Amino acid sequence: EAGVVQSPRYKIIEKKQPVAFWCNPISGHNTLYWYRQNLGQGPELLIRYENEEAVDDSQLPKDRFSAERLKGVDSTLKIQPAELGDSAVYLCASSSEAGEMVGQFFGPGTRLTVL
Amino acid sequence: KQEVTQIPAALSVPEGENLVLNCSFTDSAIYNLQWFRQDPGKGLTSLLLIQSSQREQTSGRLNASLDKSSGRSTLYIAASQPGDSATYLCAVHNTGKLIFGQGTTLQVKP
Repeated sequence: EAGVVQSPRYKIIEKKQPVAFWCNPISGHNTLYWYRQNLGQGPELLIRYENEEAVDDSQLPKDRFSAERLKGVDSTLKIQPAELGDSAVYLCASSSEAGEMVGQFFGPGTRLTVL
Repeated sequence: KQEVTQIPAALSVPEGENLVLNCSFTDSAIYNLQWFRQDPGKGLTSLLLIQSSQREQTSGRLNASLDKSSGRSTLYIAASQPGDSATYLCAVHNTGKLIFGQGTTLQVKP
């Protein structure tokens, strides 16, 4: 069974430029999460989707961040414009309806560097 | 607001030693607690998941315990190996999301 797939793995951009990250969850997983991990810290949730509906986006900086999960499968997270403080690892995770029983599964992450 | 703390932030031990990593959380109303391993530049690999009704889980040389009433979990690693060197993160499942500690970076020296 394929795991959570993310692309790109690395991205370097200049501040004020736009950037987008893509995630394909494990097949059959209806819940998809985007987390941000700053250096030396644990991940923090940005947004959670149940199928195509964003059910928790309270931590998403909506002035510059946006996300979508069309058709309830893969998802895109966008930043426009990027700021220096957005440099971090962006992790995607997914879980099934039994998520509370079996936990969340994480992708390899996208490391973003904003210059 | 749930807060998760991991102590120590870093740990260095000689190969073969048994060790314990600590995790504490402020709100005992959790669904489960999950321990992860993260290698440099990599994503998170789930090691163990303990349901709120359970007291411990074991996988190979790893044993995780959970004491909800005191808001604590420990990850015990037996007979440590250099390949165990990584950052270990604990996370509590609370209202649909994971809340992570800041991690313990473990170095096992040959």
